[in-house]
Amino acid sequence: EPEVTQTPSHQVTQMGQEVILRCVPISNHLYFYWYRQILGQKVEFLVSFYNNEISEKSEIFDDQFSVERPDGSNFTLKIRSTKLEDSAMYFCASSEALRGFHYGYTFGSGTRLTVV
Amino acid sequence: QQQVKQSPQSLIVQKGGISIINCAYENTAFDYFPWYQQFPGKGPALLIAIRPDVSEKKEGRFTISFNKSAKQFSLHIMDSQPGDSATYFCAAGPSNTGNQFYFGTGTSLTVIP
Repeated sequence: EPEVTQTPSHQVTQMGQEVILRCVPISNHLYFYWYRQILGQKVEFLVSFYNNEISEKSEIFDDQFSVERPDGSNFTLKIRSTKLEDSAMYFCASSEALRGFHYGYTFGSGTRLTVV
Repeated sequence: QQQVKQSPQSLIVQKGGISIINCAYENTAFDYFPWYQQFPGKGPALLIAIRPDVSEKKEGRFTISFNKSAKQFSLHIMDSQPGDSATYFCAAGPSNTGNQFYFGTGTSLTVIP
């Protein structure tokens, strides 16, 4: 079963520091996403990415956030200056495009980001 | 505005019983309604999904019922098993590629032996 792989599984960082969360989407998928889940709360959309550009982003995805697909396999989320409220589980997901529809995401296991 | 409302927040069911989780959505443009199952420490995994052209979809013990006029859909787990104990999220969104899904707040299901 193809998987979305995320690293690291847990990241602790000091407030104000930059973090990069890494993801390897499923190889034949073309659409990539970042979601986050604050402990015990709902899953929230951050950004979607297709053809090397952002296709949609939420209000959460402000100037502190950026995404990149640096080498054709990895998909990264960068937070430039972390805040305490950025502490959450960050999920990468990917989906395939099939005749203009996508049939749900495949999520990775997540990176737990703790900002101290 | 909360695009998708999910209830109940938690649910306890006896083994062999039926678990029912309900969701309601706001946007009539949504045309894809997946359910995700999440175990602790794992990402959500697609369980079953439905489009509004059908009122019910069944896969094994899992059934989605869909009411387009009421803008509601529900997940039924028949013959619930302890292994079904997990958090379940409904979601809704457009089926156009690349658009975000809106998730419900999740239901923590516990199936007791």
